[in-house]
Amino acid sequence: DQQVKQNSPSLSVQEGRISILNCDYTNSMFDYFLWYKKYPAEGPTFLISISSIKDKNEDGRFTVFLNKSAKHLSLHIVPSQPGDSAVYFCAASARGGSQGNLIFGKGTKLSVKP
Amino acid sequence: DAGITQSPRYKITETGRQVTLMCHQTWSHSYMFWYRQDLGHGLRLIYYSAAADITDKGEVPDGYVVSRSKTENFPLTLESATRSQTSVYFCAKSSRGGLLCKNIQYFGAGTRLSVL
Repeated sequence: DQQVKQNSPSLSVQEGRISILNCDYTNSMFDYFLWYKKYPAEGPTFLISISSIKDKNEDGRFTVFLNKSAKHLSLHIVPSQPGDSAVYFCAASARGGSQGNLIFGKGTKLSVKP
Repeated sequence: DAGITQSPRYKITETGRQVTLMCHQTWSHSYMFWYRQDLGHGLRLIYYSAAADITDKGEVPDGYVVSRSKTENFPLTLESATRSQTSVYFCAKSSRGGLLCKNIQYFGAGTRLSVL
């Protein structure tokens, strides 16, 4: 059973608008969440993260929101740019041992149209 | 530069052959990981290592062998390659520590493996 779910395989957004990528999780022990961005033929690159003690973390155009009661996080990109077109992976981890390993969602492909 | 290098970038092999994918890191991060990426599955953990000579299975370890005699190297071996092992393989590293236990992994560029 998937512990981290990205239910939208793809998302298309107009340049300049907001992109919202969603992620749901089932394991209440998860306490650290990350977003990775992946371009074709490259490895995933770390984008932004959030600890469970926060509900929002911002870095430039990227903001991650965490709703612990709903076990839901989202990544907002404002304004969206064509260079943001990539696959975005959500990941989560819990503390300690093998629980510290990241569990990844299946990814959402974002296309930003000029 | 994430300080992690994978080789080769592309590999074609035949069913039944042994193949080794290499992963080398700088900065001596303690944790290293191997993932495979397949359509419809995202990134799945094959094996990981917490330090030299310490390795453990991930979600999909069958058919793979790893070793870590030195902190900076973490090779992945397919002992007898099968078509189902055709995939893109990513190596990653992490320091996994700090007050907030920031668990950020840094990935290599990947190896695209085709088993014919």
